[in-house]
Amino acid sequence: AQKVTQAQTEISVVEKEDVTLDCVYETRDTTYYLFWYKQPPSGELVFLIRRNSFDEQNEISGRYSWNFQKSTSSFNFTITASQVVDSAVYFCALSRGFKTIFGAGTRLFVKA
Amino acid sequence: EPEVTQTPSHQVTQMGQEVILRCVPISNHLYFYWYRQILGQKVEFLVSFYNNEISEKSEIFDDQFSVERPDGSNFTLKIRSTKLEDSAMYFCASSDTAGQSSGIQYFGAGTRLSVL
Repeated sequence: AQKVTQAQTEISVVEKEDVTLDCVYETRDTTYYLFWYKQPPSGELVFLIRRNSFDEQNEISGRYSWNFQKSTSSFNFTITASQVVDSAVYFCALSRGFKTIFGAGTRLFVKA
Repeated sequence: EPEVTQTPSHQVTQMGQEVILRCVPISNHLYFYWYRQILGQKVEFLVSFYNNEISEKSEIFDDQFSVERPDGSNFTLKIRSTKLEDSAMYFCASSDTAGQSSGIQYFGAGTRLSVL
């Protein structure tokens, strides 16, 4: 069975702090994809990154970076120098075939 | 930039009534999905659809649910006899690939369904 665990329910930081959102997944498949989505207060789901199971390279995009470690089944997301606009719920997701499983989400509050 | 469009943004219905939620996926996408998010909870997969067939469905997607692509642009989710617990935000998504190569799913803004 597939499972995605985001153990951090809520995180609160002060602007300019760095913050890491954890994601641990379970799957027996050797080919799968991992995603991060952002859900701002307006409610839409915004794609952030996709990573396939064979690509363990870390990725950086501006203030965002992702650390994929297959050995620990983790796909963590770091925001550097957080800003108030980063306040949102962030979902990690696992996709295999035609089905995508989302984690419970981490609500990030960034205070000015 | 192409986007997934969902209508209506908010649907209010009485328990037991049928509702149809509508979606226009991104035009060159071939794979379509419906998800549900009960207020404050996780996003739950309902169904995926390709080539006019359901590819996969979750245990939530029981006989009261159905999906259809009635024409070349729309993708609909029908709930036959709504229950109070169907109240949720319903998201439509589409992708250009799936299966062995999971494409990026782009989501619509959602339809909030309120069952009274």
